[in-house]
Amino acid sequence: DGGITQSPKYLFRKEGQNVTLSCEQNLNHDAMYWYRQDPGQGLRLIYYSQIVNDFQKGDIAEGYSVSREKKESFPLTVTSAQKNPTAFYLCATTGQGQETQYFGPGTRLLVL
Amino acid sequence: SQQGEEDPQALSIQEGENATMNCSYKTSINNLQWYRQNSGRGLVHLILIRSNEREKHSGRLRVTLDTSKKSSSLLITASRAADTASYFCATDETSNYQLIWGAGTKLIIKP
Repeated sequence: DGGITQSPKYLFRKEGQNVTLSCEQNLNHDAMYWYRQDPGQGLRLIYYSQIVNDFQKGDIAEGYSVSREKKESFPLTVTSAQKNPTAFYLCATTGQGQETQYFGPGTRLLVL
Repeated sequence: SQQGEEDPQALSIQEGENATMNCSYKTSINNLQWYRQNSGRGLVHLILIRSNEREKHSGRLRVTLDTSKKSSSLLITASRAADTASYFCATDETSNYQLIWGAGTKLIIKP
């Protein structure tokens, strides 16, 4: 898991509620990613950011929002528009010129 | 979009045996990577093989790449109980730092 922290480990969302997942890194990496993982499936890209104050939608951005105000932080908000948010959310980073991704420990989001 | 498809979806072997997992992909790639995920945890990078390489080794891991067949295999030799995990392949086709992931192979090593 290295220098990437995700919090909380478990998160419960009520109907119609927005929730924010935290991702912080001390690796000085430029690029950060958010993935969603459903049981028995691979990773699907939600959003990614290559530099501060810039981010792009991935394959499944609908119902999610992000910000990148600091290099170290890339929070993900799961909005009420995301009707099926129950999943395991993984944050990852990549350093300048690198090709491999480093992952945080993940946040499991459950709906009450 | 899903690029890689792993085969088999699940594999159960005895400790000490070799485990082979395969990954197929659809388009041209710059490199292919293998990652490991222990249950409920983040992924850990294992090995990267570039499109101009055919085979690569790292400890008990051996990866092959056949670009003509658009496929790769991951061999874990002399398996241990601690190798129990899910293994994912990911391809980089555009060098824009995006990876496209397969669905993974769940490997169980029986002691």
